[in-house]
Amino acid sequence: ETGVTQTPRHLVMGMTNKKSLKCEQHLGHNAMYWYKQSAKKPLELMFVYSLEERVENNSVPSRFSPECPNSSHLFLHLHTLQPEDSALYLCASSQDRQGNQPQHFGDGTRLSIL
Amino acid sequence: GQQLNQSPQSMFIQEGEDVSMNCTSSSIFNTWLWYKQDPGEGPVLLIALYKAGELTSNGRLTAQFGITRKDSFLNISASIPSDVGIYFCAGQRNAGNMLTFGGGTRLMVKP
Repeated sequence: ETGVTQTPRHLVMGMTNKKSLKCEQHLGHNAMYWYKQSAKKPLELMFVYSLEERVENNSVPSRFSPECPNSSHLFLHLHTLQPEDSALYLCASSQDRQGNQPQHFGDGTRLSIL
Repeated sequence: GQQLNQSPQSMFIQEGEDVSMNCTSSSIFNTWLWYKQDPGEGPVLLIALYKAGELTSNGRLTAQFGITRKDSFLNISASIPSDVGIYFCAGQRNAGNMLTFGGGTRLMVKP
C-alpha cells in the first residue's frame, strides 16, 4: 500500500472512445504527476500539478487532458487515442515540488488501444 | 536533455549472489533515488540519497551517491527470489526540478 491509488488497473478502449484515468493520494501531498511507461523506454513525465495548478506539460498531445480538482485527486481524460498510446500510465505524488521529498507512485493503469 | 544511463539492462543471477547496478550521467544531480518495480505494480522507493559520497543501506540494499554527483550505485547482497523486478534510478538536479529516470535494470533470480 503506497498511499497512491489508481483506477482502473486495466483499460481496453477503441480509438474513438472517451475514458478517464483516476488517481487518488492519501498522503497529504501537494504535488501530483502523470507518467507514461512504455516497453523498453524510460519513464516519461507527462504532467505536473502543484497545489491544483498545472506547472508542467511535457509536450503531451492534446488527446490527453489532465484535471486536478483538488490536491488529493488527479484525472487523465483520454479521447481519440492512437495505438502507440498503449502503455502503463503511472500517477505519483510528492510533498511538494520545492523540497527534497521523493515521489510515491501508484500501481498504474495498463491501457490498451485497439 | 538530461539522460541517465543505467546498467546493466538485465541480470540473471543465482540466489545468494550479490548484485551491483549503476547509473551514470553527464550532468550533475543533487538527489539520487532508487526505485523497484514489481510486475504489475508501480515503482516503490527503496533508497533516497541527498549528499555526495553518501552511503545508505536499507536491509540488504546499499546505495551510494557518487562523489562527482554524476553517478550512483545500488548493491543487493545475498539475493533472494523476491528481489526479482526492475530497478530504476532517478536523479533530480535541484529541489523543484523534475526527476530523470534511468532505463531500468531487470533482475532475475534463479532459486
